[in-house]
Amino acid sequence: GAGVSQSPSNKVTEKGKDVELRCDPISGHTALYWYRQRLGQGLEFLIYFQGNSAPDKSGLPSDRFSAERTGESVSTLTIQRTQQEDSAVYLCASSLERTGYGYTFGSGTRLTVV
Amino acid sequence: AQSVTQLGSHVSVSEGALVLLRCNYSSSVPPYLFWYVQYPNQGLQLLLKYTSAATLVKGINGFEAEFKKSETSFHLTKPSAHMSDAAEYFCAVDRGSQGNLIFGKGTKLSVKP
Repeated sequence: GAGVSQSPSNKVTEKGKDVELRCDPISGHTALYWYRQRLGQGLEFLIYFQGNSAPDKSGLPSDRFSAERTGESVSTLTIQRTQQEDSAVYLCASSLERTGYGYTFGSGTRLTVV
Repeated sequence: AQSVTQLGSHVSVSEGALVLLRCNYSSSVPPYLFWYVQYPNQGLQLLLKYTSAATLVKGINGFEAEFKKSETSFHLTKPSAHMSDAAEYFCAVDRGSQGNLIFGKGTKLSVKP
C-alpha cells in the first residue's frame, strides 16, 4: 500500500484481557519495527523483523508481549493479560532493508487498559 | 553502543524566530542520523537524514541539520518558525547492522504568535 497501516486506531480493553494489534507495512519493505510510546515519553523499541531472519525481540518488556510477521507483509503484536502500564500508543514502522533509508511510520494504535 | 540525547524536553519560540533543537549522539561506528516530527495524534514523519554524504542536510518544511563529528551533534534548525511547526521532534541514530533506530526522548516545540 501507499503507507503503513495500523489497526485498530484506538483500543480500550479491560485489565487481564488479551489484545492484538495489526500492522500492514509498505509493499516491498523487508524490515518492520514495533515501538511503544507512553504518554510524554520517547519511543521504546519492542521488536524488529528483517526478511526471513529471526526477529530481534530484545525490546519486548515481558513474556506477555509477542509478535509475528507473515513473510514480508502483515505483522501482529499480541499483548496477553493486559495491565494498566501497557496503556500507550503502539507504533509500527517499515523500511527498505537498510535503515539508512529511514522508517515510514503508521499512525499508531492507542491502547487504553481500564 | 549507540545512544541519543536531546537537550530540552520543551522549547518555546515566537513566530518568525530561529528554531534550534539540540541532539547529541554516541556511536561506535559512523552513524546514520535522523530527525522525525510528530504532530498531535499522528505517527512520526521523517524530516531529514544524514547518511555520510554532505554534513549539512536539508529536509522538508525548511528544516536543516548539520552533522558535526567533533561535537557529536546533529542539531535541527529552521531560520523562521511558523505556527504549523508546533509539534514534537525526535532525533534518532541507526544501530547499524543490529537494525533498529534508537530515538531520543523528544523535544516539544511550541510557537507563540
